[in-house]
Amino acid sequence: AIQMTQSPSSLSASAGDRVIITCRASQGIRNNLGWYQQKPGKAPKLLIYAASSLQSGVPSRFSGGGSGTDFTLTISSLQPEDFAIYYCLQDYNYPRTFGQGTKLEVK
Amino acid sequence: QVQLVESGGGVVQPGRSLRLSCAASGFTFGTYGMHWVRQAPGKGLEWVAVIWYDGSNKYYADAVKGRFTISRDTSKNTVYLQMNSLRAEDTAVYFCAREIQQWLVNWGQGTLVTVSS
Repeated sequence: AIQMTQSPSSLSASAGDRVIITCRASQGIRNNLGWYQQKPGKAPKLLIYAASSLQSGVPSRFSGGGSGTDFTLTISSLQPEDFAIYYCLQDYNYPRTFGQGTKLEVK
Repeated sequence: QVQLVESGGGVVQPGRSLRLSCAASGFTFGTYGMHWVRQAPGKGLEWVAVIWYDGSNKYYADAVKGRFTISRDTSKNTVYLQMNSLRAEDTAVYFCAREIQQWLVNWGQGTLVTVSS
């Protein structure tokens, strides 16, 4: 199975900051990567698909990049509602695999 | 609007079985693949299984292969997860999700399964 490694595991930031979360695949997955946001007690929400496409309704401060093995999720200017846990998910093949998550906390 | 409602969770003893259901509404159920994803308490997301839109293909995570079976009933707009030989490590909230062009776009609220003696 493809392993997805996110970094950092946790991140402290303030509103207005620009943050970058990375995800590395153990083998090339082309652009078959999505980013999900999860808030406590809630289901995950798709933010970015195909590595860099913004899901409908998601604010433009979220952006994704990368291809092959290395990917990024960038939040250009953190808003209070962005403090959550973020996961990457590869859909290149089965079994699908998530990264371990990045917890974005208030500094 | 799209709704996915999971049910069937509860407390079960190790080695026993449980069947989860996910009732779908607000879209043409028979044209979308459906997934199960789980999350152990305080842990990250773990993909569990998928069934294609027509039921022709099913794939599983290694951790559940041979013990769990995913199925669907288009007449009831429902996807199921039959879980046999349950273990303590299967304790988790189980989410169902609709796939649109590879991506898990719509999710249910989850149902909690606790495996404990």
